[in-house]
Amino acid sequence: NAGVTQTPKFRILKIGQSMTLQCTQDMNHNYMYWYRQDPGMGLKLIYYSVGAGITDKGEVPNGYNVSRSTTEDFPLRLELAAPSQTSVYFCASSYPSGRVDNEQFFGPGTRLTVL
Amino acid sequence: GIQVEQSPPDLILQEGANSTLRCNFSDSVNNLQWFHQNPWGQLINLFYIPSGTKQNGRLSATTVATERYSLLYISSSQTTDSGVYFCAVGGLYGGATNKLIFGTGTLLAVQP
Repeated sequence: NAGVTQTPKFRILKIGQSMTLQCTQDMNHNYMYWYRQDPGMGLKLIYYSVGAGITDKGEVPNGYNVSRSTTEDFPLRLELAAPSQTSVYFCASSYPSGRVDNEQFFGPGTRLTVL
Repeated sequence: GIQVEQSPPDLILQEGANSTLRCNFSDSVNNLQWFHQNPWGQLINLFYIPSGTKQNGRLSATTVATERYSLLYISSSQTTDSGVYFCAVGGLYGGATNKLIFGTGTLLAVQP
């Protein structure tokens, strides 16, 4: 299994541009998540999904959109990029929280710079 | 919401030394994970340990859920252990979403 994969690894955007960060998992996990990590900080939840067609906001959702059309894919969309969105973005997946094995597995991250 | 505190914030060790990292949390949890973020930014799962004790080589972890803390032990440290160690917890608050709340991490530097 490849686990959780993310593309691209790095990206530089100009203010006002838009882009989509891709995330795919092959572990048949129902739950998927997007986190961001600012320098010197822990990760914060942006959006999450408990299954195809179901998404909800996390702690820091402003400026982002998500969709979940399949179990495997959970893309994160940035519209009108701003310097405050300069961060490292991590995608994760897990089984539902009611299971005893609800460990989250993380992708390698996407380092985004907005200038 | 749930609060997660890690200590110490920074730690410098000589190679071969042992250390204990602590994670305190403010509410009941059904998920607790320890991660190592290496100098290249990669998050590595160390332990999934909502309760009990686990060991993996030179690393071990213990979570005492009733007292709301977890400990990560690193023995015979190596330079490759350097990086940031994060504790993250998840619970059934706000619905069964398994959202993880991360601590601010412990920055470990192991010197040769």
